[in-house]
Amino acid sequence: RKEVEQDPGPFNVPEGATVAFNCTYSNSASQSFFWYRQDCRKEPKLLMSVYSSGNEDGRFTAQLNRASQYISLLIRDSKLSDSATYLCVVDTGRRALTFGSGTRLQVQP
Amino acid sequence: SAVISQKPSRDICQRGTSLTIQCQVDSQVTMMFWYRQQPGQSLTLIATANQGSEATYESGFVIDKFPISRPNLTFSTLTVSNMSPEDSSIYLCSVEEGANTEAFFGQGTRLTVV
Repeated sequence: RKEVEQDPGPFNVPEGATVAFNCTYSNSASQSFFWYRQDCRKEPKLLMSVYSSGNEDGRFTAQLNRASQYISLLIRDSKLSDSATYLCVVDTGRRALTFGSGTRLQVQP
Repeated sequence: SAVISQKPSRDICQRGTSLTIQCQVDSQVTMMFWYRQQPGQSLTLIATANQGSEATYESGFVIDKFPISRPNLTFSTLTVSNMSPEDSSIYLCSVEEGANTEAFFGQGTRLTVV
């Protein structure tokens, strides 16, 4: 079983739609959680950290469920510019962060 | 957040040759990380580069194939040795900082081996 699992997609949604991604992690001792965004042929960039109480940044909402070991990202009012791959990232206590394989989002006009 | 300069941004290399990738950080960091990202895949950690000691390699990666230097707290190099087409990939350097150990990346090196 992978340490961090994501639905690869792609998710094809119209502009203005709401879309949600889920991610599960296997190590219950994991301490920090993140969502990264990676555009085609670019490096990953931090989108937001995920806190236990849930957190919101504009159109983006992240939730953490420690009991079920999953993380979610909700994007409201999708824009064309949201098209990218979204990586779920977990700090499992190892030397470096552990990356999921990513979920592709394509927002269509 | 750390600013990381990585070069070259891309290269096309003949099989059997070696390529050295450089990564410069604008602040001192204890650990630097080297990742590989193959087409359509996520990031795979190659090794952790520590200043003053040998790099720590992940399973499946060895020093002879991917020698790493870390001469100071702001710089590291990764060499891809005796390249074959299977080494064609994007290579990324990274540092982690911040209260929640967020990762920051260089721009990546797109390597094609022919």
